Amino acid sequence: QSALTQPPSASGSPGQSVTISCTGTSSDVGGYKYVSWYQQHPGKAPKLMIYEVNKRPSGVPDRFSGSKSGNTASLTVSGLQAEDEADYYCSSYAGSNNFHVVFGEGTKLTVL
Amino acid sequence: EVQLVESGGGLVQPGGSLRLSCAASGFTFSSHAINWVRQAPGKGLEWVSAISGSGSSTYYADSVKGRFTISRDNSKNTLYLQMNSLRAEDTAVYYCAKDGGNLVVVYAMDYWGQGTLVTVSS
Repeated sequence: QSALTQPPSASGSPGQSVTISCTGTSSDVGGYKYVSWYQQHPGKAPKLMIYEVNKRPSGVPDRFSGSKSGNTASLTVSGLQAEDEADYYCSSYAGSNNFHVVFGEGTKLTVL
Repeated sequence: EVQLVESGGGLVQPGGSLRLSCAASGFTFSSHAINWVRQAPGKGLEWVSAISGSGSSTYYADSVKGRFTISRDNSKNTLYLQMNSLRAEDTAVYYCAKDGGNLVVVYAMDYWGQGTLVTVSS
């Protein structure tokens, strides 16, 4: 199972919006609603930001939103803040008869 | 407060074995599937294995199938990962991560431990 494709980097100025894409196939992203996004600051454990394509866990700011079209999912961060600078990973369920999760390659978000 | 605390990492020679543990608290342990996810130095996340809440179903990435065994003791609220025939490419920080679904699986990991480093080297 290959990793989902993400751009290696993205950037934006404070207050701007940035969108990170996550491209898979019909066997993962395109086939299921189980797409998640994680934020990871250096030296820290990942944090769940979005689950089931567009749902936010309690405590995650509504500046973070998710969507999906076909085999590509997207994470949009609006009103960029300095603390949003981190690595972001998407993940998707990828098994019809198996508990199989695949992660994206990761995107480094820089707040200029 | 949900807490996951990994232990058992360290330096091991190629071909050796190691058992990781993950002590959980703050939630109904047996109601949630739990995952192991690893991250090689400077690299991205890789899903390794998962186990159902009851422990009756286990799942593995192809890269570790036949070498790693996941298990859980619901009476002790503890998850394990037995790692055999270790290779240099298994070097990584290993995280345990709880699935967010209660009695169902939602394939989203809502709580993570701090990770434990496994280094495979001679």
